[in-house]
Amino acid sequence: DGGITQSPKYLFRKEGQNVTLSCEQNLNHDAMYWYRQDPGQGLRLIYYSQIVNDFQKGDIAEGYSVSREKKESFPLTVTSAQKNPTAFYLCASSPTEGTGTYEQYFGPGTRLTVT
Amino acid sequence: SQQGEEDPQALSIQEGENATMNCSYKTSINNLQWYRQNSGRGLVHLILIRSNEREKHSGRLRVTLDTSKKSSSLLITASRAADTASYFCATDMGRRALTFGSGTRLQVQP
Repeated sequence: DGGITQSPKYLFRKEGQNVTLSCEQNLNHDAMYWYRQDPGQGLRLIYYSQIVNDFQKGDIAEGYSVSREKKESFPLTVTSAQKNPTAFYLCASSPTEGTGTYEQYFGPGTRLTVT
Repeated sequence: SQQGEEDPQALSIQEGENATMNCSYKTSINNLQWYRQNSGRGLVHLILIRSNEREKHSGRLRVTLDTSKKSSSLLITASRAADTASYFCATDMGRRALTFGSGTRLQVQP
């Protein structure tokens, strides 16, 4: 049963705390991505990784950090420096071939609420 | 930054009618993709059209791409209540990551 899992589905944290969101895939995809979605809005790219031990900042990386120690895993840490962390966070993966981008497979998302 | 902008922002139709939504973008692209999102869920890939293609079909979906106008359209024919969702276009601008638009919320009334 292949796919992408994100946990937990709902997460509540106090302001000033760091929090790590989990993303795991068993699709054998090289590329993984983190997006943020605010109510009624589209997705904004936070970080992405094309290969293990390498990742790039997206459009809104400030206040976030990632690691890519294993092909299957791409955890996202929302730090206390992120000014408005409450949002819906989506992880995705895709195959890579050459320099093109291919269809992305999304996890079910984690809804983070910081109070 | 949002590369793609969908139009309309919201669309309400009756079951059986066709739904058309448009996407405009600003820079040259390698490909353009359409995704669907049911409320509170992850996105599901619908169709990918490459920059050298003009039209593509998949079941009840028809996508067109006009690179001279930097625009794409998604047509859903014979809509069903189950098609109710948000639809997003996403562009590959060559940085090996997609840039998503703001989406069209489609409501299909039974």
